[in-house]
Amino acid sequence: AQSVAQPEDQVNVAEGNPLTVKCTYSVSGNPYLFWYVQYPNRGLQFLLKYITGDNLVKGSYGFEAEFNKSQTSFHLKKPSALVSDSALYFCAVRSWRDAGNMLTFGGGTRLMVKP
Amino acid sequence: DGGITQSPKYLFRKEGQNVTLSCEQNLNHDAMYWYRQDPGQGLRLIYYSQIVNDFQKGDIAEGYSVSREKKESFPLTVTSAQKNPTAFYLCASREPGQEAFFGQGTRLTVV
Repeated sequence: AQSVAQPEDQVNVAEGNPLTVKCTYSVSGNPYLFWYVQYPNRGLQFLLKYITGDNLVKGSYGFEAEFNKSQTSFHLKKPSALVSDSALYFCAVRSWRDAGNMLTFGGGTRLMVKP
Repeated sequence: DGGITQSPKYLFRKEGQNVTLSCEQNLNHDAMYWYRQDPGQGLRLIYYSQIVNDFQKGDIAEGYSVSREKKESFPLTVTSAQKNPTAFYLCASREPGQEAFFGQGTRLTVV
């Protein structure tokens, strides 16, 4: 079975400071990893993904994430946070050999960026 | 514009009533999914379909039913057997190995 852990329910940062939202995963075989963002009463918007290749993945809105195979982590980062980044962030994983093609999501982390 | 559309945005259900949530995509994706999101919680998989006329139960399928008669449509019925249906429901579609595209969600409330 595959699983995703987002250990922080909420992350608070000041505008202009760097932010990190943590994600660790468990999956059989090589992982496909994703980050999504959700604004209130809206669906999820795709931010970035890791399939293969460079461990540092750059995505939308200045976000990036680093795949660390030894630590089974895929932390989301941004060098300088904006108030508008405040939202709910989800990490998701799928095994490349999962015949069911199912995405498993973490519980979500609420990011609060204060002016 | 290509995308995935859920309707209605808000839905109210009386006790003992079945309701159907619509999900339509024009992305030509084979795989479609239904997730349930409860306040302050993550997404839990209800049902998924990899191809027309085939679907599989997810982690919390009890009290729900689906059909996949057309590639672009994957409606979800919340039956009276679902004892706690109040939640935010999200539909998604994707191609293998690629990111999932989500609809804007349907908020279902029992009245």
